[in-house]
Amino acid sequence: GGIITQTPKFLIGQEGQKLTLKCQQNFNHDTMYWYRQDSGKGLRLIYYSITENDLQKGDLSEGYDASREKKSSFSLTVTSAQKNEMAVFLCASSIEGTSAETLYFGSGTRLTVL
Amino acid sequence: GDSVTQTEGQVALSEEDFLTIHCNYSASGYPALFWYVQYPGEGPQFLFRASRDKEKGSSRGFEATYDKGTTSFHLRKASVQESDSAVYYCALGETNAYKVIFGKGTHLHVLP
Repeated sequence: GGIITQTPKFLIGQEGQKLTLKCQQNFNHDTMYWYRQDSGKGLRLIYYSITENDLQKGDLSEGYDASREKKSSFSLTVTSAQKNEMAVFLCASSIEGTSAETLYFGSGTRLTVL
Repeated sequence: GDSVTQTEGQVALSEEDFLTIHCNYSASGYPALFWYVQYPGEGPQFLFRASRDKEKGSSRGFEATYDKGTTSFHLRKASVQESDSAVYYCALGETNAYKVIFGKGTHLHVLP
């Protein structure tokens, strides 16, 4: 079996700060995803990547950048953190990447902006 | 566009009660339908899926049947336990797309 590791587990930032979240997977999956989870709103897709160096915008990409320099890693940058922002950011991967495949999730990074 | 609707935001039950969480979808063609479960402090984990009409998915005593006629994939369990307390997400995916569509989630509280 494999695992998805997200770091850090908790991230506290200041308003306007640039913050980077990291994700590593050892499934050898092609496709990786970043989702944002807000209470009562479900999971919303920020970015996904179908292979190394590929980036595709999701529904919520404004205010975020992403990077996929290696097949096993996918990072997300909050370009300017918003005050009072609180959310959990979830990284996921799948074997081939069509949405009919099962997603495997990390345990999340919980962001708090002061 | 495609969508998934979970009508219950919260469900509170006692142990051994029967569970139903409703999930309806809107999509063209035959999407794959999923249930994921998320325990506190963890990411969602795959529970099961179904990909064609009348197919039943099941795992850990939970089950759901793909119903194209009513565009539904309702989650059921005959007898819930306190350890089933979690958030349950219904989701939809298609072979010609990359984006999985999630419902807003249903928070299940099972009281001992």
